[in-house]
Order: sequence, then structure tokens, then C-alpha cells
Amino acid sequence: QVQIQQWGAGQLKPSETLSLTCGVSGGSFSGYYWSWIRQPPGKGLEWIGEINHSGSTDYNPSLKSRVTISVDTSKSQVSLRLNSVTAADTAVYYCARGGDFDYLLPDHWGQGTLVTVSS
Amino acid sequence: QSGLTQPPSASGTPGQRVTISCSGGTSNIGSNNVKWYQQFPGTAPKLLIYSNIQRPSGVPDRFSGSRSGTSASLAISGLQSEDEADYYCATWDDSLNGVLFGGGTKLTVL
Repeated sequence: QVQIQQWGAGQLKPSETLSLTCGVSGGSFSGYYWSWIRQPPGKGLEWIGEINHSGSTDYNPSLKSRVTISVDTSKSQVSLRLNSVTAADTAVYYCARGGDFDYLLPDHWGQGTLVTVSS
Repeated sequence: QSGLTQPPSASGTPGQRVTISCSGGTSNIGSNNVKWYQQFPGTAPKLLIYSNIQRPSGVPDRFSGSRSGTSASLAISGLQSEDEADYYCATWDDSLNGVLFGGGTKLTVL
């Protein structure tokens, strides 16, 4: 059974950089697209961006100037960095892996990491 | 940016059939497949439907999906209390070059 694990700091101050990493167990890392998605408290899902195993990325235009998604194939890990965070970036951040069908869309989701931005 | 439109809420009584719609455009639902997700409070979304109509193993056949033109729908038949959750549609958008999610529909079982 595919399980996505994610980790990173959950408390940030305004202007700091959000940094999260995820990996997979019970399933393959390579050959799939990996997405980051966030969900502000009480609100819906927002796609942040995605990367494939070769490092090709797509980003949400609304966040593109502040986001970097990277892959470390030697560790089978994907990372998210979001610069210059503000309170508006407070959300649960999910890492998700694509599937064998409609591979650009997430199938398997991590448990989520609540990131709170507050001074 | 244009997104996918879902009704914010839906409801039904046990045993009923409810349908949740997801409306988009030619650059998204009109040209790409749709996935549906179920999310309970405090938990991650779970894949419910892929390729518009397919169910992953383990998803009850009470859940079904459809797509027509620039819209998609999720139907839940034989509604049960444990179906009370938030439901999201998602697809790729060729203009955005990214993933679009619907705003989500909160399903209440009366």
C-alpha cells in the first residue's frame, strides 16, 4: 500500500521560508508526478505545483514567484520551498503522488502538515 | 484564473441518491479527465473516482462518476451517514498548465 510521508517545520514567522519534504513507502517514487497542494483552515484545496522524477516542474501562476519544488532522486524525496511567507500562507500542506491514470492529478496523499505563519 | 465550480453544499437522507456537479470549460474538463476526492474533517483527501468514471479498488460501487462536455458529476446512491464529507473535483487545465480543483461540496446526510 502506497504511503506518503511528509515532514518539515510547522511554525514560521512572516518573511521566513517554508520548507517541507516528502517521500514514499510501499510504492514507487520514480516515474510519477509529485504535487504539493495546500488547504487554508476551513477552505478548499489549492494546487501549488508539481514535479516529475526528471525535475520538470509546473507551478500555480499565483505562487510561481515564491515557490520552488525540487526532487532528490538519490533519496527518493520531493521538497517544497515557499519564500517570504505571510499569514495568508497559513494552511495544511499536502504532498501527493500521481497515479497510473491521469498521471498529472494526485492519487495518493500524505497526511498533511499544518504550517502556521504568525509573528 | 477560472476554476471549477461546485455547489458549496448538498444534502440527502439515508438511502437517497445525491449528485454533485463540477462545471468547467473547454481548456479543463472539456479536454481532460476528472478525478473526485472525498475528505473527512482533519484528514487528507482520498481518491474516489479517476478517469471520469473509474473507481479505485475498495471504493463502493455506490459512488459513480460521469463527464459530459465541460461538466462532470459525482453520484452517490444508497446514501449512508458515513458519506457525510467534503467532495472535490479536479482536472488538468491546458491554459493554466496546472491542476484545478473545484471549490468543494459539503455533503450532509440528514
